[in-house]
Amino acid sequence: SQKIEQNSEALNIQEGKTATLTCNYTNYSPAYLQWYRQDPGRGPVFLLLIRENEKEKRKERLKVTFDTTLKQSLFHITASQPADSATYLCALDGTSNTGKLIFGQGTTLQVKP
Amino acid sequence: SAVISQKPSRDICQRGTSLTIQCQVDSQVTMMFWYRQQPGQSLTLIATANQGSEATYESGFVIDKFPISRPNLTFSTLTVSNMSPEDSSIYLCSVRGSETQYFGPGTRLLVL
Repeated sequence: SQKIEQNSEALNIQEGKTATLTCNYTNYSPAYLQWYRQDPGRGPVFLLLIRENEKEKRKERLKVTFDTTLKQSLFHITASQPADSATYLCALDGTSNTGKLIFGQGTTLQVKP
Repeated sequence: SAVISQKPSRDICQRGTSLTIQCQVDSQVTMMFWYRQQPGQSLTLIATANQGSEATYESGFVIDKFPISRPNLTFSTLTVSNMSPEDSSIYLCSVRGSETQYFGPGTRLLVL
């Protein structure tokens, strides 16, 4: 069956450290994978998109990797800050170019000062 | 970018009643998407709403339960019909941008 899995346990790290979140998928062949941030009571906010032919993408303190062999994406936040505390969702296109995204369940990150 | 607003932001409803959620986008878009996020769960796509045609529903969702209107390119409504406590959820409207997806703030629904 098709699945997208993220670490269900909350990730607690100290301010200044690098947070690494994992997204694994099975029985999908996505053209791209996206990462979103969601704060309590709000809709998800887009962060980064990485295509199937890209190994790595960066945006400021964020870095995403995409390994289509392992069927895994890693999301890194370097020099983490308490303001980075939120739930992070990965999503992929279930059917090419339709805009229909399939989401993982999200990982909650807590950055302690 | 697209700015999306939803009404109401939250509501508490009685079992058996219906609630219509409105979604307004600040630009014209072809497709609008409705998602549900149940407590502690991720987002699940309910349906895709195209202007001028009937909505396309995902497996497990039916038009009788979640009728959708799409009268123009900037507006859509989702109705949650004959509600039960299992419908308690956050309902999110979304549109597709260039390599991204924009989401509204969500409508938090509690059914008693």
